[in-house]
Amino acid sequence: EVQLVESGGGLIQPGGSLRLSCAASGFTVSRNYMNWVRQAPGKGLEWVSVIYSGGGTYYADSVKGRFTISRDNSNNTLYLQMSSLRAEDTAVYYCARALSPWGDYYMDVWGKGTTVTVSS
Amino acid sequence: SYELTQPPSLSVSPGQTASITCSGDKLGDKYACWYQQQAGHSPVLVIYQNNKRPSGIPERFSGSNSGNTATLTISGTQAMDEADYYCQAWDSSTASPVVFGGGTKLTVL
Repeated sequence: EVQLVESGGGLIQPGGSLRLSCAASGFTVSRNYMNWVRQAPGKGLEWVSVIYSGGGTYYADSVKGRFTISRDNSNNTLYLQMSSLRAEDTAVYYCARALSPWGDYYMDVWGKGTTVTVSS
Repeated sequence: SYELTQPPSLSVSPGQTASITCSGDKLGDKYACWYQQQAGHSPVLVIYQNNKRPSGIPERFSGSNSGNTATLTISGTQAMDEADYYCQAWDSSTASPVVFGGGTKLTVL
């Protein structure tokens, strides 16, 4: 079964750091486009970052320079290292697999999310 | 950066057709997809490549994309379709290539 399971969320003080993990099963992380998407309380979806199968990484302007996406091929796991956290980073963080077969791009598998709360 | 605009809300009666729009500059030149997010759940892909339905998505969901507007259409809307709907597009030429619309809350009453 194709599945994504996020972990690592919690309560963190402003300025702190946190690492999120996303364990994949049923497919190979390194052969896919893997994303982090977040949703602040009562708000819409916000794309955060992607790591392409070739290793290229991209970020939303709101997290550039503070967040780092990476993957561990041996553990088939995606990560998001978050630093200099702000109150506005408070959200549910989802990992999602994207497919891009014909110049399109859509996320067909999503995890259940992990909650990050930035507060003193 | 690229932006997608959706109406914040839409109300329909059961059995009616719901049309949710998503606007962006020359959106018709890109592929659009749509996600359904029911309260307390993760998003689910309902339309990809403008008008294709993933396995398991009912036939009442359809999509189109032309000019500056993509549209998600739900025919014969059911109470279970009440949810938030998000469009999404990809612009590989930009530094932040993935964009979501702001979402539309569909109410079936």
